[in-house]
Amino acid sequence: DGGITQSPKYLFRKEGQNVTLSCEQNLNHDAMYWYRQDPGQGLRLIYYSQIVNDFQKGDIAEGYSVSREKKESFPLTVTSAQKNPTAFYLCASMDTEAFFGQGTRLTVV
Amino acid sequence: QKEVEQDPGPLSVPEGAIVSLNCTYSNSAFQYFMWYRQYSRKGPELLMYTYSSGNKEDGRFTAQVDKSSKYISLFIRDSQPSDSATYLCATEMNRDDKIIFGKGTRLHILP
Repeated sequence: DGGITQSPKYLFRKEGQNVTLSCEQNLNHDAMYWYRQDPGQGLRLIYYSQIVNDFQKGDIAEGYSVSREKKESFPLTVTSAQKNPTAFYLCASMDTEAFFGQGTRLTVV
Repeated sequence: QKEVEQDPGPLSVPEGAIVSLNCTYSNSAFQYFMWYRQYSRKGPELLMYTYSSGNKEDGRFTAQVDKSSKYISLFIRDSQPSDSATYLCATEMNRDDKIIFGKGTRLHILP
């Protein structure tokens, strides 16, 4: 089945720790996006990539990093510089419209 | 002014009623308009995708775009409890551009 897969579904991070969220797609889409969703905030764009080996900052990129070494994969690292990382993270790949993964819920403990 | 404005709700309506969800946008360069449905703790899924002004119908759902007023709407007929979700409007200037989302409206259909 074609789709977009995020893992893990739930992730816990200790203070000062970096964590990486996985996003894989087999839809052969060039463009991939990472969003953060907080209650009442809607979707806020963190990073996006429109082609392999290239990516751009979104509206809230501080404290995050990404890589795009393969078309199928767009991992997001939440670094210790992100002071409020607890949120629901959504990855999407896009052709004419966005197809979303099921999300990763990150909690700082 | 935010690029896409959407009332967060919650909006509660009785089962069987017609639901009207609305968004406004600020940039007349936006050409493509979408509605996504998001159930709790799940990723959004695309419901409707429109390009031109006018109506587009798909089953119980109708998307309406009024570019002169910069206003987009989603109508749900014969609403069901399973329609209870958050509905996000979205827009983009060109097909390859980033998509701008509204904050979403929480909808509750009361049995």
